[in-house]
Amino acid sequence: DTGVSQNPRHKITKRGQNVTFRCDPISEHNRLYWYRQTLGQGPEFLTYFQNEAQLEKSRLLSDRFSAERPKGSFSTLEIQRTEQGDSAMYLCASSTLAGRTDTQYFGPGTRLTVL
Amino acid sequence: EDQVTQSPEALRLQEGESSSLNCSYTVSGLRGLFWYRQDPGKGPEFLFTLYSAGEEKEKERLKATLTKKESFLHITAPKPEDSATYLCAVHPFGDAGNMLTFGGGTRLMVKP
Repeated sequence: DTGVSQNPRHKITKRGQNVTFRCDPISEHNRLYWYRQTLGQGPEFLTYFQNEAQLEKSRLLSDRFSAERPKGSFSTLEIQRTEQGDSAMYLCASSTLAGRTDTQYFGPGTRLTVL
Repeated sequence: EDQVTQSPEALRLQEGESSSLNCSYTVSGLRGLFWYRQDPGKGPEFLFTLYSAGEEKEKERLKATLTKKESFLHITAPKPEDSATYLCAVHPFGDAGNMLTFGGGTRLMVKP
């Protein structure tokens, strides 16, 4: 399977707990993105890595959110002290530059429910 | 600020009834416009990239077109398996870097 994978697929947690999600990009892709999607809306950009460097962060990414991509391979997204408003689908995408722009390929997402 | 608006929000079609989905965008400069299909509970699946006004791309029953302000996704003789949410996204030039800005999507339901 050469697609983007994400784990876990579903996570239910209590308010105030910390959660961590993992994304494994397509192997030859050096760019990795995190998006958040709430019901009935399009995905919203959170952050972007090129190799191991985090190059962009959205204003949506509060200080409770942190993302890493050690060694430029898989990435983790951690949410500390979760709030009910964090309930959403967290999507990971990867790409590599080819021509004028790069096509982002998405994983299946991690559905987070905060009780 | 870059903006993407999709219409209609929801569309019900009978099998075989052709129609079009609209994506209106406002960007300072367009690097690329993307169409994705998303099934419930899954991640978006890439369909097309369009770069310049006048460009068209086709795949099976789908055809995407681009003008300077809009993109259309035309669905010819749809089947029930085409039921999904269709997302439009723009990749602008400038300070936005590599982020995509998405519209809210059009939820398509095709009845047999």
